[in-house]
Amino acid sequence: EAQVTQNPRYLITVTGKKLTVTCSQNMNHEYMSWYRQDPGLGLRQIYYSMNVEVTDKGDVPEGYKVSRKEKRNFPLILESPSPNQTSLYFCASSLLAGGPGELFFGEGSRLTVL
Amino acid sequence: KQEVTQIPAALSVPEGENLVLNCSFTDSAIYNLQWFRQDPGKGLTSLLLIQSSQREQTSGRLNASLDKSSGRSTLYIAASQPGDSATYLCAVRRYNQGGKLIFGQGTELSVKP
Repeated sequence: EAQVTQNPRYLITVTGKKLTVTCSQNMNHEYMSWYRQDPGLGLRQIYYSMNVEVTDKGDVPEGYKVSRKEKRNFPLILESPSPNQTSLYFCASSLLAGGPGELFFGEGSRLTVL
Repeated sequence: KQEVTQIPAALSVPEGENLVLNCSFTDSAIYNLQWFRQDPGKGLTSLLLIQSSQREQTSGRLNASLDKSSGRSTLYIAASQPGDSATYLCAVRRYNQGGKLIFGQGTELSVKP
């Protein structure tokens, strides 16, 4: 089954404790992206990757890191999480190397930073 | 800076009604526009993707139109059903912006039986 898989789905952590949210897709998509969704602010793009080893900042990259060492995986790293990073996070992918065509989303990862 | 607005924020209609959801964007230099559906606690599901050269796309009871000159897109839902209840979001991708997408804040639709 074609899908985008995120882990963990739910996480409660404390300020400053490094964490990684994994994202994996099995559709051989070249484009992958991370978003956060907050009440009243909607969905905002954190980082995206047009291909392996190619990443770029979205609108809210501060406090996050990403890497794209292989096509199927695009982990989101929070080196020192803070309470303002409490949010619902989504990973998405699409086929086109030239940018997002139809986007496929994961189920989301709800992160709480205390 | 591209801004995307969806009005209304919430909409409640009786079952069977035809309805229109609106999406406005400030910069007409877009590459494409995509409509999504989001159920509570779930990810987004792509409904329709309209390239900048297209005027509309149709899928079943859904029809999306695009008017770049006026900075507007509409999503028409025919014969609404309770199962259509969800939040609908639009997202635009600008030319020369690589993989950046800008989302509207969504319209929460409730279809009453």
